[in-house]
Amino acid sequence: EAGVAQSPRYKIIEKRQSVAFWCNPISGHATLYWYQQILGQGPKLLIQFQNNGVVDDSQLPKDRFSAERLKGVDSTLKIQPAKLEDSAVYLCASSFSGNNEQFFGPGTRLTVL
Amino acid sequence: AQRVTQPEKLLSVFKGAPVELKCNYSYSGSPELFWYVQYSRQRLQLLLRHISRESIKGFTADLNKGETSFHLKKPFAQEEDSAMYYCALRSGGYNKLIFGAGTRLAVHP
Repeated sequence: EAGVAQSPRYKIIEKRQSVAFWCNPISGHATLYWYQQILGQGPKLLIQFQNNGVVDDSQLPKDRFSAERLKGVDSTLKIQPAKLEDSAVYLCASSFSGNNEQFFGPGTRLTVL
Repeated sequence: AQRVTQPEKLLSVFKGAPVELKCNYSYSGSPELFWYVQYSRQRLQLLLRHISRESIKGFTADLNKGETSFHLKKPFAQEEDSAMYYCALRSGGYNKLIFGAGTRLAVHP
């Protein structure tokens, strides 16, 4: 089966600019996750969707980050405006339901200059 | 606070040597623990979970609630085991994973 798809793979922007990432989960997976992985650290969950509803966004910096999953399939994560400390790899993952194995995408590496 | 600690950033061994990647956790309740692996240029993937008590690619991990540890072990390391290994804790009812910082395993010929 096709895996989780993410785009772009790399993005370089200047601080205060905006950026958006896209994720297409594995077909049939109801749960979608966005993680932020800063260099030298493990992934940190930003937001979790169950279908098109948010079940956990406790660690999402809501003043600058937003995410949506309008039709319960694809998702976008946006940063506006970006800060230097947002430089990281952004990972998308999906699972069949809320208790199943999470499958990860290749990630988007963001560099903020 | 819920936390996963992997004290070693890098573990370097020779082929055929035993390997133990350390993981300690802090969690109030009954924990579910996992090991994830990321090989070079590949995606993060699940290696094993404690509830299944299985051996994957020769790796095993036993949950020790008394020591709050979930160390990953392999008796004889292979070069293809070289990768980044992350210990993770499932927190709450929505499959939220809390990851450690990871340990890079380098197996030399």
